[in-house]
Amino acid sequence: NAGVTQTPKFRILKIGQSMTLQCTQDMNHNYMYWYRQDPGMGLKLIYYSVGAGITDKGEVPNGYNVSRSTTEDFPLRLELAAPSQTSVYFCASSRDRYNEQFFGPGTRLTVL
Amino acid sequence: KQEVTQIPAALSVPEGENLVLNCSFTDSAIYNLQWFRQDPGKGLTSLLLIQSSQREQTSGRLNASLDKSSGRSTLYIAASQPGDSATYLCAVKGSGAGGTSYGKLTFGQGTILTVHP
Repeated sequence: NAGVTQTPKFRILKIGQSMTLQCTQDMNHNYMYWYRQDPGMGLKLIYYSVGAGITDKGEVPNGYNVSRSTTEDFPLRLELAAPSQTSVYFCASSRDRYNEQFFGPGTRLTVL
Repeated sequence: KQEVTQIPAALSVPEGENLVLNCSFTDSAIYNLQWFRQDPGKGLTSLLLIQSSQREQTSGRLNASLDKSSGRSTLYIAASQPGDSATYLCAVKGSGAGGTSYGKLTFGQGTILTVHP
């Protein structure tokens, strides 16, 4: 099993550009999450999903959108990139709300 | 609102020393607590998961304890090695009824551990 995979690994965007961060898991997990990690800070939850077709906001959802059309995929969309969105983005999944979360390797995004 | 604090922020020890990392949380309504390791520029690796009904979990040289009523957890690393050098993150999974807290992880800021030969 590959676990949780994320693409791309690195990306530089200009202000106002848009992009989609991809996340795929092959563990048949129902729950999926997007976090961002800023230097010296803990991870903050952006959005989460409890199953295909069901998503909800986390702590810091502004400027982002998500969709969950399949169990495996949970893409994160940035519509109008801003410098404040410069961060490392992690996708995670878990079987349900009780079990441990498994994390992907992250996407390092810089907005200039 | 759940808040998680990790002490110390950084720790440097000689190889072979036993050490303790501390984690405290403000809301005892949790499903579980998870300890992670993060190497520079890498993702998070799950080390130990303690359910709210458990007192401790062990994996090799690692032992994590949980005192839910006092809002504290410790990660004990025995006989530390240079390969243990990393950032250690503590995270609690809330059981609150609020939509943004239900089942999500709240992270501490981490402890940066350096084990020197």
